[in-house]
Amino acid sequence: AQTVTQSQPEMSVQEAETVTLSCTYDTSESDYYLFWYKQPPSRQMILVIRQEAYKQQNATENRFSVNFQKAAKSFSLKISDSQLGDAAMYFCATLGGGKLIFGQGTELSVKP
Amino acid sequence: GAVVSQHPSWVICKSGTSVKIECRSLDFQATTMFWYRQFPKQSLMLMATSNEGSKATYEQGVEKDKFLINHASLTLSTLTVTSAHPEDSSFYICSASWTSGRANIYEQYFGPGTRLTVT
Repeated sequence: AQTVTQSQPEMSVQEAETVTLSCTYDTSESDYYLFWYKQPPSRQMILVIRQEAYKQQNATENRFSVNFQKAAKSFSLKISDSQLGDAAMYFCATLGGGKLIFGQGTELSVKP
Repeated sequence: GAVVSQHPSWVICKSGTSVKIECRSLDFQATTMFWYRQFPKQSLMLMATSNEGSKATYEQGVEKDKFLINHASLTLSTLTVTSAHPEDSSFYICSASWTSGRANIYEQYFGPGTRLTVT
């Protein structure tokens, strides 16, 4: 069975600074995908970044990047130049058996 | 990106009544749709997976007779909460994944959610 663990229930960052959200996972799949989703106060789930496990290169999307450590089963999200609009719940997830398995979430606050 | 809509966005119903929530993929065909439930400050809990034209597959612990799911077409799935009770009050989110069109096969596209309040 797949599991995803986010050990930081809450994180805080100063505007314009960098923050890293942690995620570890376990999966029996040989080929899998990892995701970070953002859920702002509107509660609309927004895909932030996706990583294919077979790719060694870490995915990046503008200010968002991941540190994918396959052997350690770690998939952290780095947000650079944090903005007030980045304040949200962030969920790490893996796709297994056609289903998304979510972590518990990390609530990120951004201080002006 | 691909767009998924949900209707209604917010519904209040009396205890004992049934309420239907619609989930539509607007610009792609979705063979598979998913229904999640989310409590405040918590993660999404998968309730069921529905494939077009076949019966939904429910996750362990989800009452299939209470949460009726119908996936009648490649663009529409419905969740009916039957004989609703206050403990069914929650935020319900659907998502859809791709068969053809603009969506990415490895992604689920989420609707904006429906807030259900049972009084």
